[in-house]
Amino acid sequence: QKEVEQNSGPLSVPEGAIASLNCTYSDRGSQSFFWYRQYSGKSPELIMFIYSNGDKEDGRFTAQLNKASQYVSLLIRDSQPSDSATYLCAVTTGGYNKLIFGAGTRLAVHP
Amino acid sequence: NAGVTQTPKFQVLKTGQSMTLQCAQDMNHNSMYWYRQDPGMGLRLIYYSASEGTTDKGEVPNGYNVSRLNKREFSLRLESAAPSQTSVYFCASSEGLRQLYGYTFGSGTRLTVV
Repeated sequence: QKEVEQNSGPLSVPEGAIASLNCTYSDRGSQSFFWYRQYSGKSPELIMFIYSNGDKEDGRFTAQLNKASQYVSLLIRDSQPSDSATYLCAVTTGGYNKLIFGAGTRLAVHP
Repeated sequence: NAGVTQTPKFQVLKTGQSMTLQCAQDMNHNSMYWYRQDPGMGLRLIYYSASEGTTDKGEVPNGYNVSRLNKREFSLRLESAAPSQTSVYFCASSEGLRQLYGYTFGSGTRLTVV
């Protein structure tokens, strides 16, 4: 059974700080990695994707991938209360066309 | 607005009743998916359709059936609802096999089986 593991949280950070969210996965064949944000009662929305080892930056968000360690992370700089949500890590499996999701990490940014 | 449309948004069923959840996308995506989301368990894949005319089981297919009606529409049917199927159901679509851009999700159907 392929798995994606995340700490459920809550991860509490003060406004303006860096939030660090982590994810590990079991399928060494996974090729693509995604971070989704989900507000309470809403559907997941894609915020970052990464395919290659290293860092990928997009505004306040940085995704980091280490395939050797089977580890992917998301950094949120200058965290805002509006960033408070559950962050879902997802990885491809089974020949690219399916995503497996972690259970999510709940982030709380307090003023 | 372009995207994935799910109906209904809310539904209450009695045990043993049947219903069909509808999903349609207008992004010309090839692949479509049905997930359920339960507290603490994340999103679990029920069924998916990699392309028009094909469907395959996911992680938790028991008690469900699907139909890929055409490229736009992918429905999920509960033949005899059980309380264990109380969940939030999300339909999603993607461009195709390589998952270059991830999924686009619908707004979800909140189903309660009593």
